[in-house]
Amino acid sequence: GAGVSQSPSNKVTEKGKDVELRCDPISGHTALYWYRQSLGQGLEFLIYFQGNSAPDKSGLPSDRFSAERTGGSVSTLTIQRTQQEDSAVYLCASSLDRGRVSEQFFGPGTRLTVL
Amino acid sequence: AQKVTQAQTEISVVEKEDVTLDCVYETRDTTYYLFWYKQPPSGELVFLIRRNSFDEQNEISGRYSWNFQKSTSSFNFTITASQVVDSAVYFCALHNTNAGKSTFGDGTTLTVKP
Repeated sequence: GAGVSQSPSNKVTEKGKDVELRCDPISGHTALYWYRQSLGQGLEFLIYFQGNSAPDKSGLPSDRFSAERTGGSVSTLTIQRTQQEDSAVYLCASSLDRGRVSEQFFGPGTRLTVL
Repeated sequence: AQKVTQAQTEISVVEKEDVTLDCVYETRDTTYYLFWYKQPPSGELVFLIRRNSFDEQNEISGRYSWNFQKSTSSFNFTITASQVVDSAVYFCALHNTNAGKSTFGDGTTLTVKP
């Protein structure tokens, strides 16, 4: 399919370990978002990439979180020294956003469990 | 700062009933977009509708309709003749066109019973 894909779908890690979550957006989409969804909660904005502009990192909860987007396409969200409160579903979305704001297409998410 | 409030945490209706999901937002921007998304039990969020701040025309799409009232900062969503397949979590979202940031409400869990 041509949708947003994320890997891995599930990740179990031990407290203190680093994890990398990957997002492949829809081809041609200029905007890419990362969100965190805790159990039964809404979506918490983490970071936003638009084209080649500097990303909006205002939502990152701590300096343990970082993200990059290579070549304007694939993005990786890295969480260093994971804590139990990092356990959540991490969602990636992309949108076309050329001249007007368009809807976001979401991936299936990565469920992160920190033991 | 932006804020989206979905006061109804959970709603339960019987099939064929009409149901309205409320969404109230706060923003200082004059230009913004509002969205509704559906998250079925399978988990993936699906786009339902987009509305920009200059377009207060209400919209109807099949059994779905949306009422945007800028004066009360509300963007409510009504499902007419609800069906079991409408059971999902529904999110209202506000998009800041300047910063590109999207703010989501906490969602309303709708359960439609047969």
